[in-house]
Amino acid sequence: NAGVMQNPRHLVRRRGQEARLRCSPMKGHSHVYWYRQLPEEGLKFMVYLQKENIIDESGMPKERFSAEFPKEGPSILRIQQVVRGDSAAYFCASSPSETANTGELFFGEGSRLTVL
Amino acid sequence: KQEVTQIPAALSVPEGENLVLNCSFTDSAIYNLQWFRQDPGKGLTSLLLIQSSQREQTSGRLNASLDKSSGRSTLYIAASQPGDSATYLCAVRGRGSTLGRLYFGRGTQLTVWP
Repeated sequence: NAGVMQNPRHLVRRRGQEARLRCSPMKGHSHVYWYRQLPEEGLKFMVYLQKENIIDESGMPKERFSAEFPKEGPSILRIQQVVRGDSAAYFCASSPSETANTGELFFGEGSRLTVL
Repeated sequence: KQEVTQIPAALSVPEGENLVLNCSFTDSAIYNLQWFRQDPGKGLTSLLLIQSSQREQTSGRLNASLDKSSGRSTLYIAASQPGDSATYLCAVRGRGSTLGRLYFGRGTQLTVWP
């Protein structure tokens, strides 16, 4: 049973380009969460999604950032017109449906974005 | 707003010592508390999960306790080994409208030397 899969593991972009980060949850998991870890800071919640639905996006910047979790395929975190301050590790986590949910989140290895 | 604090920020000990890592949180209305381990440049590995109704959980040499009323959790590591060297993160999960969020501390960076 594969864990949470994130790709790319490392991504380099120049200022103004777009970054797309992908996350495939664990098999049987229908909830996906994105977190950001800035250098020398703790992990911060960004967005919580279920299939085809954004549940809570209160942690995501209003501009340039968007997230989706389509019916088919991975969840995608999209950052438009990247700036140097977007350089960080972006972690995806997943959990099962709430009716069978202990509340435990399982994290991927992260995608490390560097903006030049 | 929930805030999570971990003390100490860093800890360096010789192999074999028993360790205590501390975590405190400001809002006791939590769904659960989870301890993670993070190795440099890697993801998070879940160590222990304590539901809000529980007092402690054990796994091997690890024991985590939860005192929800005082907003504290402790991770106890017995007979530490060099392989335990990593950053240990404490996270609490909110309730209600914040159910989807984990609030993380900044971590305790542990070094166990042989």
